[in-house]
Amino acid sequence: DSGVTQTPKHLITATGQRVTLRCSPRSGDLSVYWYQQSLDQGLQFLIQYYNGEERAKGNILERFSAQQFPDLHSELNLSSLELGDSALYFCASSPRPGVAEAFFGQGTRLTVV
Amino acid sequence: GESVGLHLPTLSVQEGDNSIINCAYSNSASDYFIWYKQESGKGPQFIIDIRSNMDKRQGQRVTVLLNKTVKHLSLQIAATQPGDSAVYFCAEQNSGGSNYKLTFGKGTLLTVNP
Repeated sequence: DSGVTQTPKHLITATGQRVTLRCSPRSGDLSVYWYQQSLDQGLQFLIQYYNGEERAKGNILERFSAQQFPDLHSELNLSSLELGDSALYFCASSPRPGVAEAFFGQGTRLTVV
Repeated sequence: GESVGLHLPTLSVQEGDNSIINCAYSNSASDYFIWYKQESGKGPQFIIDIRSNMDKRQGQRVTVLLNKTVKHLSLQIAATQPGDSAVYFCAEQNSGGSNYKLTFGKGTLLTVNP
């Protein structure tokens, strides 16, 4: 157990809908990262937060947004969902930015039908 | 469990043999490299890392080799065990930049035959 908790584990939704994925980082970790893993693209960095503020942005679509709350949990919001958004979404946390030994959660499997 | 990828390079070894997994990285500015292991249905798990001022680092049963000249990274697993079966990813980072993202490779599926 990495100490990073993601909910839900599985999510099935229809195209055009909006979903929210939740991540609780390890106790004491201030930095949260979101990654998307699909069969054809591998692990893609989406966005990073540190202590509530956005620190880095990767290949995140405009339909997607994220935030980190004062209690350090983070949410990834995916809207106007398309079939191609079906993927595993991972959250990882580390004590501070730049620490590559990030600990990953078990992921949320999103299926858009 | 669920398959991580259907078109990954694969490596099949016998239990007890040594495994070598290779990775070519893309960014010559990357100065920090990490190997992750991902078992079916789980998130990536940190194995070992290496900074660009080193060319070799050893852990428990694992060794990472870095060749900056050809931008190549390898992970050696000694006495491979069935529990080592997983997808292995290399990741690179430019720790001097303001963007701390890790860029992952496509992964290699390691299968250990008993």
